[in-house]
Amino acid sequence: DAGITQSPRHKVTETGTPVTLRCHQTENHRYMYWYRQDPGHGLRLIHYSYGVKDTDKGEVSDGYSVSRSKTEDFLLTLESATSSQTSVYFCAIRDRTYEQYFGPGTRLTVT
Amino acid sequence: SQELEQSPQSLIVQEGKNLTINCTSSKTLYGLYWYKQKYGEGLIFLMMLQKGGEEKSHEKITAKLDEKKQQSSLHITASQPSHAGIYLCGADGSTGTASKLTFGTGTRLQVTL
Repeated sequence: DAGITQSPRHKVTETGTPVTLRCHQTENHRYMYWYRQDPGHGLRLIHYSYGVKDTDKGEVSDGYSVSRSKTEDFLLTLESATSSQTSVYFCAIRDRTYEQYFGPGTRLTVT
Repeated sequence: SQELEQSPQSLIVQEGKNLTINCTSSKTLYGLYWYKQKYGEGLIFLMMLQKGGEEKSHEKITAKLDEKKQQSSLHITASQPSHAGIYLCGADGSTGTASKLTFGTGTRLQVTL
């Protein structure tokens, strides 16, 4: 257990509304990641962070923004949700040995 | 961009049989990760390999990274129903420290009694 929690675990929202997903870790890891998982595409990196206020884009960053104001929290925001953002979102951390551990996931449905 | 291909896509084995899952990369691997996922659940970390020729084992699961560092195999000995699930390989294709992973689409394993 890498001490990663995600909230909410499930969310249904309407197209055009803003949505924020939260990832919380308890072990002060520097690197944190947001991935999305979709059938046929596997897991794809959205954004990652390498420290407080230090973030960078991943493979599928369009339509998403992130923020990290504290080491323990990494937020993913969908400014205006679209149906194509219906997915399962996973947060991950990387420890000092480069092992990467995932949170339990958030299932987001955009109607 | 890096692509990972996993084979087979699905596998049904009888309990007690051995099996192997392969993960082939289009580029050199600087880190190869294996995870297991049960349907609708999160990813469970199994192993990480970084050096060509490296081999790691955990209980009845062994993973190897080939010398040329473009392929990894996951071998399960004497499979059990608890091994059922989706096995995912993830690769870090860069020499930097960010560990941005690219994933294969998974191998679905069923273990029959």
